[in-house]
Amino acid sequence: AQSVSQHNHHVILSEAASLELGCNYSYGGTVNLFWYVQYPGQHLQLLLKYFSGDPLVKGIKGFEAEFIKSKFSFNLRKPSVQWSDTAEYFCAVVGSARQLTFGSGTQLTVLP
Amino acid sequence: AAGVIQSPRHLIKEKRETATLKCYPIPRHDTVYWYQQGPGQDPQFLISFYEKMQSDKGSIPDRFSAQQFSDYHSELNMSSLELGDSALYFCASSSQASEAQPQHFGDGTRLSIL
Repeated sequence: AQSVSQHNHHVILSEAASLELGCNYSYGGTVNLFWYVQYPGQHLQLLLKYFSGDPLVKGIKGFEAEFIKSKFSFNLRKPSVQWSDTAEYFCAVVGSARQLTFGSGTQLTVLP
Repeated sequence: AAGVIQSPRHLIKEKRETATLKCYPIPRHDTVYWYQQGPGQDPQFLISFYEKMQSDKGSIPDRFSAQQFSDYHSELNMSSLELGDSALYFCASSSQASEAQPQHFGDGTRLSIL
């Protein structure tokens, strides 16, 4: 069975700071990887996804993530965060059974 | 673009009551997934349906059941409700026809058990 680990439970940054959120997964087969964002009181929105090809994927709102197969990692990055990026971020993996397995989430707070 | 529609948005029930949550997938999506997100928790997979058949089962209690209808909408039926069932219930949909199709989530139903 697949699993996802997010190391940072709460990250606090000032505006314009750079962001990197860690995500490691465990799965023996071909994985599809996702980052979802959940703004307060809202549903999960897809930020970006990796299925195959270029391991550096770009998503919405200036986010990007890099798939490093040797490290089983899919870290999320943004060079300069904004106050509106305050939200919870979930890394997720889909294995053969197609359901999403989520990490425990990282709460990002950006201070104005 | 049309999104995943869930109803109701909020539901308040008492212990031992029953509840039915509905999910209408994005048009032409044939797969529906149900997730439960407790307070401060990550979403946990409950159950999924493909072409009206159950395709996978996660941590869904025996008190819950679900089905997918001919128009692809899905209903999650919950009986003998417990305080611990208070959570946000998300439905997601995708198309099996495309391997690269991510799951799209609805706004969720917030269920509160008194």
